[in-house]
Amino acid sequence: GAGVSQSPSNKVTEKGKDVELRCDPISGHTALYWYRQRLGQGLEFLIYFQGNSAPDKSGLPSDRFSAERTGESVSTLTIQRTQQEDSAVYLCASSAAGQEPNYGYTFGSGTRLTVV
Amino acid sequence: GEDVEQSLFLSVREGDSSVINCTYTDSSSTYLYWYKQEPGAGLQLLTYIFSNMDMKQDQRLTVLLNKKDKHLSLRIADTQTGDSAIYFCAESISNTDKLIFGTGTRLQVFP
Repeated sequence: GAGVSQSPSNKVTEKGKDVELRCDPISGHTALYWYRQRLGQGLEFLIYFQGNSAPDKSGLPSDRFSAERTGESVSTLTIQRTQQEDSAVYLCASSAAGQEPNYGYTFGSGTRLTVV
Repeated sequence: GEDVEQSLFLSVREGDSSVINCTYTDSSSTYLYWYKQEPGAGLQLLTYIFSNMDMKQDQRLTVLLNKKDKHLSLRIADTQTGDSAIYFCAESISNTDKLIFGTGTRLQVFP
């Protein structure tokens, strides 16, 4: 597709349930990033995939969070046993990594997650 | 640690100039960026500056970089209502493709 696609755009879930958020990057973009944006706050780095390298998971806030990516395609961010503090917009971006400046960072519109 | 700070709000009258400020911590950042986020949308790259530059101008946008003080600013000339959005600065982390974003500044333009 022409841009980064995220689904669902909105998700309301009950506390304690698991959720899966999907990101479909731009074709050919080797790098994929997940960020979290809480209300009134900046973007918090979660995880970064680059090609076949081991992902940089240094931003994942707890072991309830995990993400997978198959090759250079779709990524899924999974949050287990959701808590109210997980409520946020989850943004995905992709880029043709290794090029500076990193203007290849294209963001999706995000998934707004509300845990009730 | 890596930390990028911005003021949270800025309100300006249409036609005036807006100046959005940012401080960062990684002195080895190669590039610094400004992104714009409109309601319900993702972030769009507005402009960037290489760390060995002091200033970059792009139409109504002027970026100023004070590397000694690790201070970055974005000036929008002749601000329009369509400029109302959240503006994020970001620094690149050396030897990675990761960007660290600031808290964002919400710009409100009133007639």
